[in-house]
Amino acid sequence: KQEVTQIPAALSVPEGENLVLNCSFTDSAIYNLQWFRQDPGKGLTSLLLIQSSQREQTSGRLNASLDKSSGRSTLYIAASQPGDSATYLCAVLASNTGKLIFGQGTTLQVKP
Amino acid sequence: SAVISQKPSRDICQRGTSLTIQCQVDSQVTMMFWYRQQPGQSLTLIATANQGSEATYESGFVIDKFPISRPNLTFSTLTVSNMSPEDSSIYLCSVGGDLGTEAFFGQGTRLTVV
Repeated sequence: KQEVTQIPAALSVPEGENLVLNCSFTDSAIYNLQWFRQDPGKGLTSLLLIQSSQREQTSGRLNASLDKSSGRSTLYIAASQPGDSATYLCAVLASNTGKLIFGQGTTLQVKP
Repeated sequence: SAVISQKPSRDICQRGTSLTIQCQVDSQVTMMFWYRQQPGQSLTLIATANQGSEATYESGFVIDKFPISRPNLTFSTLTVSNMSPEDSSIYLCSVGGDLGTEAFFGQGTRLTVV
């Protein structure tokens, strides 16, 4: 059974720092991995999608990497800003079920 | 990308009543997905809704409690029936994410049952 784990559960950093969020999954049989942002009480905003054949994707200050063989992904946020404060979720699309499996999320606070 | 409008954005309901959540997509899609996010938890898939057929429910979710309609390729509703405080959650609809495509979510419905 596919399981997705995100570490740390919470993170607080001063504005301007570069930071890395981690996501690990137990079964390498995935179609893709997606990173989302969720503001309190709101829906999910898609940040980056990495297909299983890809190693990384970039969008602005965000860079996501994927190492399928080791079951790991990282989300790198450069020059963090208070507006980046949110919960970040990763999800894998499992090959055997065709369904998204979510991690528990990392709640990020960027202090001015 | 897909733009998803979900209504209501939040509601406070009395126990024993029902609430219907609407989800409208700006393009035609084959499958729509309904998720539940309990307080402090991650997302759990409730069911997959295909147009013209019965929804497919995940383990632990039943049609009597969460009836779903899918009248056309751009719209779906989820009803939370006979609500109890344990149903207090954020409910989200989603499209994409199948066949390796990008998943998109509505803004969620924050339900509180008192």
